Amino acid sequence: NAGVMQNPRHLVRRRGQEARLRCSPMKGHSHVYWYRQLPEEGLKFMVYLQKENIIDESGMPKERFSAEFPKEGPSILRIQQVVRGDSAAYFCASSGPGSRIYEQYFGPGTRLTVT
Amino acid sequence: SQQGEEDPQALSIQEGENATMNCSYKTSINNLQWYRQNSGRGLVHLILIRSNEREKHSGRLRVTLDTSKKSSSLLITASRAADTASYFCATGLTGGGNKLTFGTGTQLKVEL
Repeated sequence: NAGVMQNPRHLVRRRGQEARLRCSPMKGHSHVYWYRQLPEEGLKFMVYLQKENIIDESGMPKERFSAEFPKEGPSILRIQQVVRGDSAAYFCASSGPGSRIYEQYFGPGTRLTVT
Repeated sequence: SQQGEEDPQALSIQEGENATMNCSYKTSINNLQWYRQNSGRGLVHLILIRSNEREKHSGRLRVTLDTSKKSSSLLITASRAADTASYFCATGLTGGGNKLTFGTGTQLKVEL
């Protein structure tokens, strides 16, 4: 059973470009979460999605950031017009149904560097 | 202090010793989870303890939760060099949906 998959693992973008980060949840999981980790810090919640729905986006910056989890395919975190301050590790997590919904399993992360 | 703040920030011990890390939080929680992160890697889920539980074990790990003091501890017994990593506690808040609030972590170094 493959774990949470994220790609790319490393992404370098110039200021003003767009960054697209992909996340495939664990098999059987329909809840996806995105977190951001700055160097030497803990993870900060960004957004929680279920298939085709955004459930909680309270941690998402109001501009330039968007997320989706379509009916088919991976979840996508999209950052438009990236700035240096967007450089961070972005982690995706997924959780399963029922009583296991609170246990989140994380992918290896995408390390975004904005030059 | 932040929700989910670990103490100490860094800990260095010898292989075979026990390591204890503490986590304090501020608001009412539904559950508390501990994760391990090796340098430059993703997070590995270690253990989840619910707000109505006081203690949980998993292999060499023992987690306690004291909701009256709003604190939790993670004990790693008979530590190994491979336990060297950062350890984070994360709280699931009552009424906070499923999102987790992470602390800043404890960096554990286990020396041979």
